[in-house]
Amino acid sequence: KNEVEQSPQNLTAQEGEFITINCSYSVGISALHWLQQHPGGGIVSLFMLSSGKKKHGRLIATINIQEKHSSLHITASHPRDSAVYICAVRNDYKLSFGAGTTVTVRA
Amino acid sequence: GAGVSQSPSNKVTEKGKDVELRCDPISGHTALYWYRQSLGQGLEFLIYFQGNSAPDKSGLPSDRFSAERTGGSVSTLTIQRTQQEDSAVYLCASSFVSYEQYFGPGTRLTVT
Repeated sequence: KNEVEQSPQNLTAQEGEFITINCSYSVGISALHWLQQHPGGGIVSLFMLSSGKKKHGRLIATINIQEKHSSLHITASHPRDSAVYICAVRNDYKLSFGAGTTVTVRA
Repeated sequence: GAGVSQSPSNKVTEKGKDVELRCDPISGHTALYWYRQSLGQGLEFLIYFQGNSAPDKSGLPSDRFSAERTGGSVSTLTIQRTQQEDSAVYLCASSFVSYEQYFGPGTRLTVT
């Protein structure tokens, strides 16, 4: 069983819809990262969090340490949000990655 | 400022040949990481360098893989006697100590 599980694996939304991606992990962590990877593009770090909630523009990330669960929310989704979103947990310096969620936002 | 750069961006090689992949981290970043992303699979950790400490090589898949980091800056990942299963995107990232990691654009390796 992977240390990091993401759901859903794929997600299609209409422009403007609210999107939620979930991440559960089974190990102790020092931080959790949400990463974004556009098709053919590099990886961009969206958030690094160890507690509570962070917001950047239309993106919101939350984490519940007790439940070992994090969510990434995209409000008012736009076609440019189409990408693979990857959850990664950090133990000391090492990252363990989820399989990613492919998000497609249709105009 | 300049981000993490990697070269080459694409590499096609014949099975059995050796390849070298290069990573230039962000200036001042003490930590450097190599990851691999195989088609249809997630990212996997390969190796970690931090300052002058001994690297963590626990993620290297076989002894055909090696990496070095010269002068605490540029790193080279070497794959000897490449196999088709080595085909993947190899990503480098750097960070200041254990803070947020910044990823390079990756090198797409194709072994024919």
